[in-house]
Amino acid sequence: NAGVMQNPRHLVRRRGQEARLRCSPMKGHSHVYWYRQLPEEGLKFMVYLQKENIIDESGMPKERFSAEFPKEGPSILRIQQVVRGDSAAYFCASSPGISTNTEAFFGQGTRLTVV
Amino acid sequence: DAKTTQPPSMDCAEGRAANLPCNHSTISGNEYVYWYRQIHSQGPQYIIHGLKNNETNEMASLIITEDRKSSTLILPHATLRDTAVYYCIVRVEAAGNKLTFGGGTRVLVKP
Repeated sequence: NAGVMQNPRHLVRRRGQEARLRCSPMKGHSHVYWYRQLPEEGLKFMVYLQKENIIDESGMPKERFSAEFPKEGPSILRIQQVVRGDSAAYFCASSPGISTNTEAFFGQGTRLTVV
Repeated sequence: DAKTTQPPSMDCAEGRAANLPCNHSTISGNEYVYWYRQIHSQGPQYIIHGLKNNETNEMASLIITEDRKSSTLILPHATLRDTAVYYCIVRVEAAGNKLTFGGGTRVLVKP
């Protein structure tokens, strides 16, 4: 059973370009969480999605950022018109259910560098 | 959200047990305590979780006090590869079950 897969592992974008980060949850998991970790800082929650629904986007910047988790395929975190401050590691986690008694497992992250 | 408090850092000798404390005095009855660690810049790794009973798995043991206001993660025989930042998290259903990471404890295992 493969773990949470994120790709690409490293992504370089020029200012103003779009970044698309993909997260394939573990088999059987229908809940996905996205986190951002700025250099030398902690992990900050961004968004929580279930299949085809955004449940909690309280940590998502209001502009330029969006997330989706379609019925088929991976979850996508999209950053439009990237700026240098978007350079960070982006992690996703997946879990099979909504219970607080359910482990969430993380991927190895996508490291975005904006030049 | 139930907030957790952890010491910012601690050292541990290789081969010895590492005892990592966590305070969560505002925890509610149905909220679980989770422990994760992040080695260097890798993705956070799940370690263990529990509600009120002590738990043990192949990685660690979790001891939760009877009043549930604090807990201790025990790494029985620390190795150099256990050097990481360890996060104690109270998972809150009302907050959408998201894991809210604090500053964690930076553990350095020394030879």
